Amino acid sequence: KAGVTQTPRYLIKTRGQQVTLSCSPISGHRSVSWYQQTPGQGLQFLFEYFSETQRNKGNFPGRFSGRQFSNSRSEMNVSTLELGDSALYLCASSREPTGRGNTIYFGEGSWLTVV
Amino acid sequence: GQQLNQSPQSMFIQEGEDVSMNCTSSSIFNTWLWYKQDPGEGPVLLIALYKAGELTSNGRLTAQFGITRKDSFLNISASIPSDVGIYFCAGQGNDYKLSFGAGTTVTVRA
Repeated sequence: KAGVTQTPRYLIKTRGQQVTLSCSPISGHRSVSWYQQTPGQGLQFLFEYFSETQRNKGNFPGRFSGRQFSNSRSEMNVSTLELGDSALYLCASSREPTGRGNTIYFGEGSWLTVV
Repeated sequence: GQQLNQSPQSMFIQEGEDVSMNCTSSSIFNTWLWYKQDPGEGPVLLIALYKAGELTSNGRLTAQFGITRKDSFLNISASIPSDVGIYFCAGQGNDYKLSFGAGTTVTVRA
């Protein structure tokens, strides 16, 4: 069974630009979460979507946004990119929303470099 | 979510040794998860724990959900070179947000 798929795997953007990252969850999974991973801050929760609704949100500025489509695929967008946004962005999927004793699986991530 | 206290930060181990790492939290968690991440890849789930006191094994890996619900440990027995990587604990409380430890970097000495 295919795992969590994230695209693109690598990208380079310039400060001030915006970026959209895509995530396809495991088939049958309806919950998608996004995380930012940096060497200094570790893994930080961005937001979680279930049935096209945002269930939970981390402590990130409004420049970070996301959405989920009816087929459970999700996108996250970062506008007005800053150098500090350079990170590995990880998507995770689970069958049910997190917190109900279900297993969470990660994709390989999208490496974003802002120059 | 909050940052968990994971220790040790890094370790050098001899092939064949048993190793242990742990995570503690200031608040109660309902779920503890342990992941391993290889360079350039996403974290891979190793063990999931859902009940206080639960002890679960996955091959040479064993993890326990502390009875206080504020800690968890992961043991690796008879370490081998492919155990190299970064191990993360993750905990989830009543807010349903997943909080991660800073990771334990494991390096195996041949």
